[in-house]
Amino acid sequence: NFILTQPHSVSGSPGKTVTISCTRSSGGIDDNYVQWYQQRPGSSPTILIYEDDQRASGVPDRFSGSIDSSSNSASLSISGLKTEDEADYYCQSYEASNPTWVFGGGTKLTVL
Amino acid sequence: QVQLQESGPGLVKPSETLSLMCTVSAYSISNDYYWGWIRQSPAKGLEWIGSLDHRGNYYYNPSLKGRVTISADMSKNQFSLKMTSVTAADTALYYCARIGGHFGPWGQGALVTVSS
Repeated sequence: NFILTQPHSVSGSPGKTVTISCTRSSGGIDDNYVQWYQQRPGSSPTILIYEDDQRASGVPDRFSGSIDSSSNSASLSISGLKTEDEADYYCQSYEASNPTWVFGGGTKLTVL
Repeated sequence: QVQLQESGPGLVKPSETLSLMCTVSAYSISNDYYWGWIRQSPAKGLEWIGSLDHRGNYYYNPSLKGRVTISADMSKNQFSLKMTSVTAADTALYYCARIGGHFGPWGQGALVTVSS
């Protein structure tokens, strides 16, 4: 099975843009779709981005997802940072051959 | 809307078996989708434990296989998790969730502490 590696933390100022990476250890990042979840303290995770770059219902267009085959990674970008964006963010993908689901280790976003 | 609710003991002794139930409302688990268990601890973040599909097939995280059993009672619209030989490392917040391309909705989570 592969591993998804995320930075432990990122930070940014209100109004700025941050990007969170998610690197797949083996196999191609485009082998299976990548999803992104937001988790605020005390709450269950909620879907932000599915199928690499599709925003879930109700998610502002400040959030965008992409994949880059050259670096074998996915990215979540958040523009126009707001204090309410402070949360943990997780990437997730799937291994179809023997169905298994993999989460990244999570990234804590601090809005300074 | 579809809702999931975890239930079970919050305290389990080391070497014993952890048992949790997930009750699903407003959707029949036998209709479609995968249904899964996920846990979250400060040390490991989110960790997929295992899933079942609507046909009754089961899938497990290889790192936990051998200790974990998931089963379903389609008539009660519930699915359960049993984890044997628990240690302090199994202390976590345990979630159940529907899986259809992505995870969601999620239950609110059940905190399980392994301690004597």
